[in-house]
Amino acid sequence: QSVLTQPPSVSGAPGQRVTISCTGSSSNIGAAYDVYWYQQLPGTAPKLLIYRNSNRPSGVPDRFSGSKSGTSASLAITGLQAEDEADYYCQSYDLSLSGHWVFGGGTKLTVL
Amino acid sequence: VQLEQSGPEVKKPGASVKVSCKASGYIFSTYGISWVRQAPGQGLEWMGWINPYNGNTDFAQKFQGRVTMTTDTSTTTAYMILRSLRFDDTAVFYCARYSTTYGLDVWGQGTTVTVSS
Repeated sequence: QSVLTQPPSVSGAPGQRVTISCTGSSSNIGAAYDVYWYQQLPGTAPKLLIYRNSNRPSGVPDRFSGSKSGTSASLAITGLQAEDEADYYCQSYDLSLSGHWVFGGGTKLTVL
Repeated sequence: VQLEQSGPEVKKPGASVKVSCKASGYIFSTYGISWVRQAPGQGLEWMGWINPYNGNTDFAQKFQGRVTMTTDTSTTTAYMILRSLRFDDTAVFYCARYSTTYGLDVWGQGTTVTVSS
């Protein structure tokens, strides 16, 4: 069980908007630690999607956006495309003894 | 900018595995190297990271005492050694370039480690 909780799956039709939540606590996101998001296409290595809560690396389409509030963060994908079907992971820093950097459990996005 | 990892490994329980990660295209000592494990069909698990500039390391509690991370700045290569392998260590191991600004912004292709008797 990760200290960052994500829904196991989300889905949406092409063109729609979906959001993926990442719920933490006062020992990680709520302690003002930044959140990062990664996309993992099937059979490939993860790819950085969002850094420091809401910033996109060059090359990442502006259809992807990140936000953070309180003890949670969200990844929003607008104009859903078939190639967005992937696993998405949030990551943050955690003060508890369980570790330091931690990943959420991951969310499988299915494009219907 | 690229991270190139070593090839697949098959090990017996109790053995050790050493995975390498060759960095190119940037100044090696200016970014950390993190290691991430992904068991079959499972999520990502942060193992730890090393600062190539001074060799300082930080490990997830789960792996402390069983993992070693080193770097060779002359060859810009990072290494991860996992000892006392168990069947549930079967996984893909990734190295990734780390910075506090960008997080894990460049990833290796992954190295599959299979623990089998």
